[in-house]
Amino acid sequence: AQSVTQLGSHVSVSEGALVLLRCNYSSSVPPYLFWYVQYPNQGLQLLLKYTSAATLVKGINGFEAEFKKSETSFHLTKPSAHMSDAAEYFCAVNRDDKIIFGKGTRLHILP
Amino acid sequence: DTGVSQNPRHKITKRGQNVTFRCDPISEHNRLYWYRQTLGQGPEFLTYFQNEAQLEKSRLLSDRFSAERPKGSFSTLEIQRTEQGDSAMYLCASSFGAGRETQYFGPGTRLLVL
Repeated sequence: AQSVTQLGSHVSVSEGALVLLRCNYSSSVPPYLFWYVQYPNQGLQLLLKYTSAATLVKGINGFEAEFKKSETSFHLTKPSAHMSDAAEYFCAVNRDDKIIFGKGTRLHILP
Repeated sequence: DTGVSQNPRHKITKRGQNVTFRCDPISEHNRLYWYRQTLGQGPEFLTYFQNEAQLEKSRLLSDRFSAERPKGSFSTLEIQRTEQGDSAMYLCASSFGAGRETQYFGPGTRLLVL
């Protein structure tokens, strides 16, 4: 069954530093993978989506993620963190027409 | 395209009361999903509709929960005899097509059961 595991429930980076949020997936079929962001008291916004067209996926707000089948990973990165990136990030996989979410990683940006 | 909307945004109720939430999907989206998110967790699937047909219900959806999408447009989620454990954010999402299309989420309804 498809699932995702996010490593680290909290990640802190300094403003301007590299952001790296880790996600590993488990899937018996080629997966569709997602990263969503959730700001406080708001719904989820799609950052990017992998559909097997290209292994490097570029999303909104300068984020990108690379699908690595050999590592079963789909880590999210951004070269330079901004204060406005502080939020909760969810990795997710499509399974049987519904989305299965990881537990989330809260990103803190240090001034 | 005004996005997915949900009402109310916040609901406080006493244990044992019934509550109903509404979700208006993006127009022409044929699929509508309900998820529940508790503190510190990712959203969990509850149920979904294709047009007016309810295609799947999670085992999380006890018999106190019922969802409808009578005309294939908006949907309602009703919780009867609320319990404190029902306190959560209830998220609605919609998509167009079948299967693995992108789901677009609404802002959610936060329920607090006292």
